[in-house]
Amino acid sequence: EPEVTQTPSHQVTQMGQEVILRCVPISNHLYFYWYRQILGQKVEFLVSFYNNEISEKSEIFDDRFSVERPDGSNFTLKIRSTKLEDSAMYFCASTYNQPQHFGDGTRLSIL
Amino acid sequence: AQSVTQPDIHITVSEGASLELRCNYSYGATPYLFWYVQSPGQGLQLLLKYFSGDTLVQGIKGFEAEFKRSQSSFNLRKPSVHWSDAAEYFCAVGADNNNDMRFGAGTRLTVKP
Repeated sequence: EPEVTQTPSHQVTQMGQEVILRCVPISNHLYFYWYRQILGQKVEFLVSFYNNEISEKSEIFDDRFSVERPDGSNFTLKIRSTKLEDSAMYFCASTYNQPQHFGDGTRLSIL
Repeated sequence: AQSVTQPDIHITVSEGASLELRCNYSYGATPYLFWYVQSPGQGLQLLLKYFSGDTLVQGIKGFEAEFKRSQSSFNLRKPSVHWSDAAEYFCAVGADNNNDMRFGAGTRLTVKP
C-alpha cells in the first residue's frame, strides 16, 4: 500500500536557524497537509495545500512558516527563525478524497 | 470551524475487557469522522471512518464506532481489548471539502494484564 514518507525522522536545529521538513505524499493525491504535535499534546492543524496554493491555515502558521511543492512529488514545510516552542513532531498528510493518510512524522528539536 | 472533544484523557482496562472511548464533535454540516491510533513514537494510523450511510462502522483491529447525530458523538468500541491495543487514540472531524481536520486531545489507553 502506498505511504506518505517524511524525512528526516529527527531534525535538530539551533534556535534562529531555518529548517526544511520534507514529505513525499502518495502519488495520486491532490490535497496536502501539515500538522504539529507538541510532546504529550494533541495533533494540531497547520496548513492545507491544494492546486499549488494554501487553501487554509491555522493561527500557528505565522509568517515564519511556508510550504512549497517544488516538483511533482515533494511537499515541504519551511520554518524560518526557529524558536524553542517550534519543537514538536510534524506530520505530513495527503488525500485524494478523505481520509487523510499520515506519514510517520519528523521530530524537530530546537536547541 | 469543526471541533472535537474527547472527555477521557486516560483510560485503563483489563485485557479481555470491553472498551468504549468517547468522542463528541461540533460541526454545522454532516461531518466526516475518523478515529486514528498512535503508538509511542509512531505516526497516525487510521482505524475507521464515517462519511455517510450506516451509522455503525467497522474498522481494523476489531474496532467499531457508532455515529449518533442526535448526541453529536462518534464513540469507539472494542468488545475485547488486547495488550497490543495500548496506545493513544485520536478522534477527528473533517469537512467534506478535503480541507483540514480537527483532532481531539486524545485518549491514552492502558491495558492491564
